[in-house]
Amino acid sequence: DTAVSQTPKYLVTQMGNDKSIKCEQNLGHDTMYWYKQDSKKFLKIMFSYNNKELIINETVPNRFSPKSPDKAHLNLHINSLELGDSAVYFCASSLTSGGAAQYFGPGTRLTVL
Amino acid sequence: DQQVKQNSPSLSVQEGRISILNCDYTNSMFDYFLWYKKYPAEGPTFLISISSIKDKNEDGRFTVFLNKSAKHLSLHIVPSQPGDSAVYFCAASVRADGLTFGKGTHLIIQP
Repeated sequence: DTAVSQTPKYLVTQMGNDKSIKCEQNLGHDTMYWYKQDSKKFLKIMFSYNNKELIINETVPNRFSPKSPDKAHLNLHINSLELGDSAVYFCASSLTSGGAAQYFGPGTRLTVL
Repeated sequence: DQQVKQNSPSLSVQEGRISILNCDYTNSMFDYFLWYKKYPAEGPTFLISISSIKDKNEDGRFTVFLNKSAKHLSLHIVPSQPGDSAVYFCAASVRADGLTFGKGTHLIIQP
């Protein structure tokens, strides 16, 4: 009965490939997020999204794009993967877009060879 | 440019004693602060939060204190239990923005 789930848990791929990570939340939350945890263990926001607004961290390359088929899902598409994209990616959701706790998925470890 | 800093990479505390984890921030626009606990190979788990209009919030064994003038917050865990051993992240947000995280403090509870 997982609140925020991500698939796959592990993803190993070659440079230049295009891949997607899926995220689903069953909490009825309005806002979803993607975070990247790099090799130095910093967790950094990539996107926040609700049905009205997408906020993009300006440091995120445009090879990364979030896609939301409905309120419960926010998938992350990555084009032309690079070695530096290797990291753990976490999806999260919150009831509202401000002043609310965010609940995280288990993470997807992406390795680009 | 680290806006949220956790200056202690690790902290060792004896079981039953108080654990105090500290966090400093530089952005005076932050209006919501949170603490997360993380085990290896899992996502961060929300513990407790505090709004900038308060200076203390308590939930069971966990208490968060906020000192806005010093731009400092702390998490107190009392009494500390073996299951509390994990990495603790301090986080902050401005209105609808995503969370800005510190680097984490690895708390080790010794029997």
